[in-house]
Amino acid sequence: DTGVSQNPRHKITKRGQNVTFRCDPISEHNRLYWYRQTLGQGPEFLTYFQNEAQLEKSRLLSDRFSAERPKGSFSTLEIQRTEQGDSAMYLCASSFSDIPSSLEELFFGSGTQLSVL
Amino acid sequence: QQPVQSPQAVILREGEDAVINCSSSKALYSVHWYRQKHGEAPVFLMILLKGGEQKGHDKISASFNEKKQQSSLYLTASQLSYSGTYFCGTGEYGNKLVFGAGTILRVKS
Repeated sequence: DTGVSQNPRHKITKRGQNVTFRCDPISEHNRLYWYRQTLGQGPEFLTYFQNEAQLEKSRLLSDRFSAERPKGSFSTLEIQRTEQGDSAMYLCASSFSDIPSSLEELFFGSGTQLSVL
Repeated sequence: QQPVQSPQAVILREGEDAVINCSSSKALYSVHWYRQKHGEAPVFLMILLKGGEQKGHDKISASFNEKKQQSSLYLTASQLSYSGTYFCGTGEYGNKLVFGAGTILRVKS
C-alpha cells in the first residue's frame, strides 16, 4: 500500500486557465475528501465522496470548482477560470467507513500546490 | 466555526513537555488531532469523542473537556521528530472537519 497519491505535486498556471488535479486513494478506502490549505491555516473542507457519490460540497465552494470520482476509485478536482485567490495547497484524504463515524481516521496525500499568476 | 488553538508556536528542548490546547465556541462532538511536517501530508494522531471513546497512537495522550468545549494534546519527553505543526479539527463525523490554524512546535537538541 503506497498511501494516498496526488498529481501533480506542483502546478503553475495563468489566471483564467483551467486546471485539473488527480487523487488516487488507498485502494480499499470508500471515502474520499478534498481539502484546501493556505499558508498558516489548517485544511479547509471542500467536498467528499462515498464511493462514486458526491455527498457533500462546502457552501463556500465556488461553482468554478467541480470534483468527480468515477467508479469510486480515483478522483479529480477541476478548477475553471482560475483566480489568484485559488492559489493554495489542495489536499486529498481517504478513509474506510461503512457508516458515518467520528472515529474515522483520515489518510492525507501530500497535496498539489497550485500557484495562479 | 474554526476552533482556536493555543499557543500559536512553542519551542522546546529535547525531553521537555508541552501542552497544545484547542477550544471551540460550539458544542463539541469530537476532536481530531493531526501533525503536519513542512511539505508533507498531515498525519493522524488521535480522535476523542464526547462520552470518552478515543482512538489514537499509544505514545500520544489527550483530553477532552465537553463542558468547557476544549481539548488538550500532551506531548511528553519531546523528541526532535515531534517538530511540526499540530492541527485540531472538530466535527460531528469524520467528514467536514473544521481545522484550527495550527500550533507550530519546534524541538531543539
